[in-house]
Amino acid sequence: GAGVSQSPSNKVTEKGKDVELRCDPISGHTALYWYRQSLGQGLEFLIYFQGNSAPDKSGLPSDRFSAERTGGSVSTLTIQRTQQEDSAVYLCASSLNGPRADTQYFGPGTRLTVL
Amino acid sequence: AQRVTQPEKLLSVFKGAPVELKCNYSYSGSPELFWYVQYSRQRLQLLLRHISRESIKGFTADLNKGETSFHLKKPFAQEEDSAMYYCALTRTGTASKLTFGTGTRLQVTL
Repeated sequence: GAGVSQSPSNKVTEKGKDVELRCDPISGHTALYWYRQSLGQGLEFLIYFQGNSAPDKSGLPSDRFSAERTGGSVSTLTIQRTQQEDSAVYLCASSLNGPRADTQYFGPGTRLTVL
Repeated sequence: AQRVTQPEKLLSVFKGAPVELKCNYSYSGSPELFWYVQYSRQRLQLLLRHISRESIKGFTADLNKGETSFHLKKPFAQEEDSAMYYCALTRTGTASKLTFGTGTRLQVTL
C-alpha cells in the first residue's frame, strides 16, 4: 500500500516568508509525528498528533512553528517568518495507536532551505 | 530526561568483517528501543526493535538494562549495509515520540 507522503519535496524560500509543509499519513494510522533533521541537531521531535489533537507539542522550537491535522488524516506544519536556522529536512511519520508503541513509518521528507 | 548516545559518527569496516554500532541510553522507566536505518536517497525505515528479538538482514541487537545499552551487531558486513544508522527510544505502552541518537554512518569497503 501507499506509504507516508510529503509535499513539497523541496522548498526554497526567503528569510521572513511563511511556508507550509504537508504530510499524508498511511491510511488508518491515527498517530502522526513531525520531526526535523538538521546537520547540527540530528533528528529532533517537533509535535505529535493523536487524531486531530496534539497531546505533545513540546518539540516546537518557537511560536513561529505551528501544526494542525484535519479529519484525522492530513497534517500541515506551518513556519512563519522563516529564519536561516529553520533550514532542515522536515520528516513526517505515522503509526497505529495500539496498546504498545507501534512502528513509526516515515515519509521522504521536505527539504527546506531558507536563503 | 531521556537521551540516546551514539559515540561514533563514522564506522568504517571491510566487507566480511564484524560490525558493532554502539548505542547507550538514559531513561527513567522502561523504554522501548529501536534501530532505524537510512540508505542513500531513501527514507528512514525501521531495522529492528528490541521487543521483537528478531534478526533483520543479519543484524541483531540485545537490550542490556544493566549497562543501558542497545548495540547493533552483524557478524559479517556487506557492501549494501553502508548507510546511516540511528538508535532511538520511546516510552513503552502507547504511541509517543521517538528520541534519536545522532546517528552513525557505516561505511563498508572492499
